Amino acid sequence: AQSVTQLGSHVSVSEGALVLLRCNYSSSVPPYLFWYVQYPNQGLQLLLKYTSAATLVKGINGFEAEFKKSETSFHLTKPSAHMSDAAEYFCAVSDGQAGTALIFGKGTTLSVSS
Amino acid sequence: DAGITQSPRHKVTETGTPVTLRCHQTENHRYMYWYRQDPGHGLRLIHYSYGVKDTDKGEVSDGYSVSRSKTEDFLLTLESATSSQTSVYFCAISDWAVSSYEQYFGPGTRLTVT
Repeated sequence: AQSVTQLGSHVSVSEGALVLLRCNYSSSVPPYLFWYVQYPNQGLQLLLKYTSAATLVKGINGFEAEFKKSETSFHLTKPSAHMSDAAEYFCAVSDGQAGTALIFGKGTTLSVSS
Repeated sequence: DAGITQSPRHKVTETGTPVTLRCHQTENHRYMYWYRQDPGHGLRLIHYSYGVKDTDKGEVSDGYSVSRSKTEDFLLTLESATSSQTSVYFCAISDWAVSSYEQYFGPGTRLTVT
């Protein structure tokens, strides 16, 4: 069975600081991995995805994530936080089979202070 | 943005009453999903559909039923609402042939059962 663990339910950074949100997965098959962002009272928006191509994946809004098979990790980073990055972030995993639902982590709330 | 709408967006209902939530898509995607989002739990799959009249259960399906009579509509029914079903419900769509594994989410329905 697949699972996702997001380390830290709440992360706080200063504007301009590095953002690092951690995600570890468990999967018996090559995984497909996703990061979604949710702004208050909105749905989930795809930030980026890993689907077995390049291990360093670039997404929207300056975010990127690196797939590390040896560490079973897919951490999300951004070099310089902006106030508008404050949101909840979800890591999700899929086995890549057509129609398979995503398995989500419990989410990490990012706060950005000025 | 993917053409996904959910109705109603907010609903307050009493324990024991039936409730139906609607998800409508204009993307002609094959797969549709219902998730619920609760604090500390991330998103959990309730039911999903892989075509008209083809549905299956997810992780937290007890107390819920679904129907899909047309490609564009996926209905979620709470036969007799309970307070434990107070949650935010999200619909998602995907089509492996089109969007390469990721799912697109609707804006959500906030349901309160009193």
